[in-house]
Amino acid sequence: DTAVSQTPKYLVTQMGNDKSIKCEQNLGHDTMYWYKQDSKKFLKIMFSYNNKELIINETVPNRFSPKSPDKAHLNLHINSLELGDSAVYFCASSPRLAGGYNEQFFGPGTRLTVL
Amino acid sequence: KNEVEQSPQNLTAQEGEFITINCSYSVGISALHWLQQHPGGGIVSLFMLSSGKKKHGRLIATINIQEKHSSLHITASHPRDSAVYICAGTQGGSEKLVFGKGMKLTVNP
Repeated sequence: DTAVSQTPKYLVTQMGNDKSIKCEQNLGHDTMYWYKQDSKKFLKIMFSYNNKELIINETVPNRFSPKSPDKAHLNLHINSLELGDSAVYFCASSPRLAGGYNEQFFGPGTRLTVL
Repeated sequence: KNEVEQSPQNLTAQEGEFITINCSYSVGISALHWLQQHPGGGIVSLFMLSSGKKKHGRLIATINIQEKHSSLHITASHPRDSAVYICAGTQGGSEKLVFGKGMKLTVNP
């Protein structure tokens, strides 16, 4: 019954490694997002996809690459992990384009710790 | 300066009190979201509004477009209302949400 799910919930890894976080939504929504919440709990958008098409790409290092195999999935791949990548990453979805004007549904978050 | 500002940053209240959380925003923000983040970390959308007022249970959200200000009110507060309340603005013409820094509410029994 989970609306927006993310895996894994916790991810601990060494600097320099490559890792992926998966997100799936079963709400039938067209638009999905990745947000980063830093250690000060400040949320910031990273990417937005609508029907598998990239809509928003905030000034995120190109070590971060989102991939949307279909509109229900938006995965986040991170290459060459750095200490500063440690954060909680939230996936979210909304019913359609102009998601800023629609309620967004958030996943439970993935806490990434880079050692 | 952040496009979305919240005040206060922390608030402690006694159970039963009426609580108001404020959010002000800059030109270019066309809709406001109120989100709740519980200590466990999950984020729940409470309201999205671009005008007027919305009510859900003990929660009321208002927005004043002229003054670029929104408030979230909690009536008859309860310890389970303890959470971080985040205000986020939609940048006009885009998908993008810009977030305030959040306000940590603690309601004591």
